[in-house]
Amino acid sequence: DTGVSQDPRHKITKRGQNVTFRCDPISEHNRLYWYRQTLGQGPEFLTYFQNEAQLEKSRLLSDRFSAERPKGSFSTLEIQRTEQGDSAMYLCASSSTRDQETQYFGPGTRLLVL
Amino acid sequence: LAKTTQPISMDSYEGQEVNITCSHNNIATNDYITWYQQFPSQGPRFIIQGYKTKVTNEVASLFIPADRKSSTLSLPRVSLSDTAVYYCLVGAYSSASKIIFGSGTRLSIRP
Repeated sequence: DTGVSQDPRHKITKRGQNVTFRCDPISEHNRLYWYRQTLGQGPEFLTYFQNEAQLEKSRLLSDRFSAERPKGSFSTLEIQRTEQGDSAMYLCASSSTRDQETQYFGPGTRLLVL
Repeated sequence: LAKTTQPISMDSYEGQEVNITCSHNNIATNDYITWYQQFPSQGPRFIIQGYKTKVTNEVASLFIPADRKSSTLSLPRVSLSDTAVYYCLVGAYSSASKIIFGSGTRLSIRP
């Protein structure tokens, strides 16, 4: 399968703990996006990378959230000092420069903060 | 930001044609219109995209009037597997943060 993959698929943590999610985009895609989705709502944009450069960040992305894409391939999203309000599905998507309007989404990581 | 308005839910039956309309009164000149489909516990899946007039692919058609203030996703001969949430997005991908998914339309198909 050469689609977008995310790991882990599910994560349960206690409030105050740090969590890290990984996204592996489609290999030739240079754009990578992170979204957050809560129940009954559409995905909300968090941040996006072009190659290794983080070009845009949402105001939703508090200072407890950090994302990296060190070599322009996979990306990680870390949440520090998790709060119950962080419980959501975290989605990653990628697109190519040639077809940047089409985003391919991964299956998501579902986070539950107790 | 170009906000979109869609019906919250729609019901139809297998074999029918389903049309979902999205309003986007503040669409900008550079904005494209894109529709995604999402099943429970999965990421959204691209369906179709257009800028103006009509676009058709193997799964859907997209109708965009001349003023581009609305668009209609048409699904021909739906089946039970088309039960999903459908999102209409408007934006220019040069600015990813300005592309807003909204709450989508929950489409239920019955036998």
